[in-house]
Amino acid sequence: TQLLEQSPQFLSIQEGENLTVYCNSSSVFSSLQWYRQEPGEGPVLLVTVVTGGEVKKLKRLTFQFGDARKDSSLHITAAQPGDTGLYLCAGGHNYGQNFVFGPGTRLSVLP
Amino acid sequence: DADVTQTPRNRITKTGKRIMLECSQTKGHDRMYWYRQDPGLGLRLIYYSFDVKDINKGEISDGYSVSRQAQAKFSLSLESAIPNQTALYFCATSDPGRGQGGVDTTEAFFGQGTRLTVV
Repeated sequence: TQLLEQSPQFLSIQEGENLTVYCNSSSVFSSLQWYRQEPGEGPVLLVTVVTGGEVKKLKRLTFQFGDARKDSSLHITAAQPGDTGLYLCAGGHNYGQNFVFGPGTRLSVLP
Repeated sequence: DADVTQTPRNRITKTGKRIMLECSQTKGHDRMYWYRQDPGLGLRLIYYSFDVKDINKGEISDGYSVSRQAQAKFSLSLESAIPNQTALYFCATSDPGRGQGGVDTTEAFFGQGTRLTVV
C-alpha cells in the first residue's frame, strides 16, 4: 500500500496570512493532484502536476511537485475565508490505475 | 443539476439491514468509483468500474457490493450494515486523462456525498 501523509492535519490562520501544507510519501508517483473539499460537498480538483520539480500557480495558490516525485506542497498567499476547506492530495501511477488519497489538511481562515 | 448525483444524501439505518446507495452521472464518463471518507483517513476506494461490464475491488471492499446498471449508474450495497460502516460515502466519475508519456492525469468528479449512520 502506497501511503500519502499530509501535514499539518489542521491549520487555523487569520485572513491575509500565508501558509504552506505538505504531502509526502515514500513512494514515487507519476502524477500528483490536489483537491479542495468544502463542507457538504465532494472534492474538486485544483491542479495536477506530473514533472519532478514542476511548479504551477493558480491565482494565490502555488503548487510544487518534488524533484523525486515523492512529495508536493501547496502554498497559499494572503489567505482568504473562501480558502477554508479540506485540502487533499492524491498520487497517481501508470495510465489507468487508481489514485491514492492522503488524509487531508483541514484549513480554517478566520476573517 | 449536478453532474454526479448521489441518493440519498443522508441515511440512518439499523445494524443488519440491507441498504443501497445510488449514483448517477450525466458526464458521459466510462469510469465510476465508490469511496468512503472517515476523519483522519482520507478517501478510501471501495469499488470501481471502468465500463459497464467491468467491476473491480478497491482497498476496502469487504462488506460491500456494487452493480453497474448502465454507463450512467453505479450503485453500492451494504448487504448487512454494521456500525463501523458509518461514514461519508462518495461516488466519482472520470475519463482517462491525456497524459504525457503514459502519465495518468485523470480528473475525478465527485458527487455531494451520502452520510450513512448505522446504529
